[in-house]
Amino acid sequence: EVQLVESGGGLIQPGGSLRLSCTASGLSVSNNYMNWVRQAPGKGLEWVSVIYSGGSIYSADSVKGRFFISRDSSKNTLYLQMNSLRPEDTAVYYCARGSCSGGTCYSFFFDSWGQGTVVTVSS
Amino acid sequence: SYVLTQAPSVSVAPGQTARITCGGNNIGSKRVHWYQQKPGQAPVLVVYDDSDRPSGIPERFSGSKSGNTATLTVSRVEAGDEADYYCQVWDSSSDHWVFGGGTKLTVL
Repeated sequence: EVQLVESGGGLIQPGGSLRLSCTASGLSVSNNYMNWVRQAPGKGLEWVSVIYSGGSIYSADSVKGRFFISRDSSKNTLYLQMNSLRPEDTAVYYCARGSCSGGTCYSFFFDSWGQGTVVTVSS
Repeated sequence: SYVLTQAPSVSVAPGQTARITCGGNNIGSKRVHWYQQKPGQAPVLVVYDDSDRPSGIPERFSGSKSGNTATLTVSRVEAGDEADYYCQVWDSSSDHWVFGGGTKLTVL
């Protein structure tokens, strides 16, 4: 059974930094397309960043240059380093596995999610 | 960047059929995925690749696509189906994963 457990959230002042962790069991973070997705209070889902199994990284324009996704295969853990935080970054941050169906991936979807960790950016 | 448009809310009586739509430019060329999210919970995948259901998802949930619109249909709606529903695509041109704004399904 796949389990994703996020941690590291909390209250942080604007301009500060925070590192989120997502510890996985039942899957290898290095062999999967691992993502961060966030949800601001009362708002919809927003994709944040992905790290592919091959190491390629892509991020949403709203966080590019401020947030950095990485992984540690020895700890089977995914990270999100968040710098220069803004009040609009306040959200629940979910770790999610990206998957595709069939042998050729025409599209990707999220088939496993963690329960999320709350980040609040406020003075 | 690619944009998906959903109506904010849909209401339906128990036992009736709910249709939740998702619009996007040239969405016919993309595969659409759908998620259900109940308050305080993580999203759950209910339909992938336009019309396939993950194991454990009731047959009452089905997906379709026509023209520039994808539709999630919930048949014989139950009180437990009340939730927010999101569509999602993968934009191959930017390697970005895109969500619609979400639709709140209310069971009257």
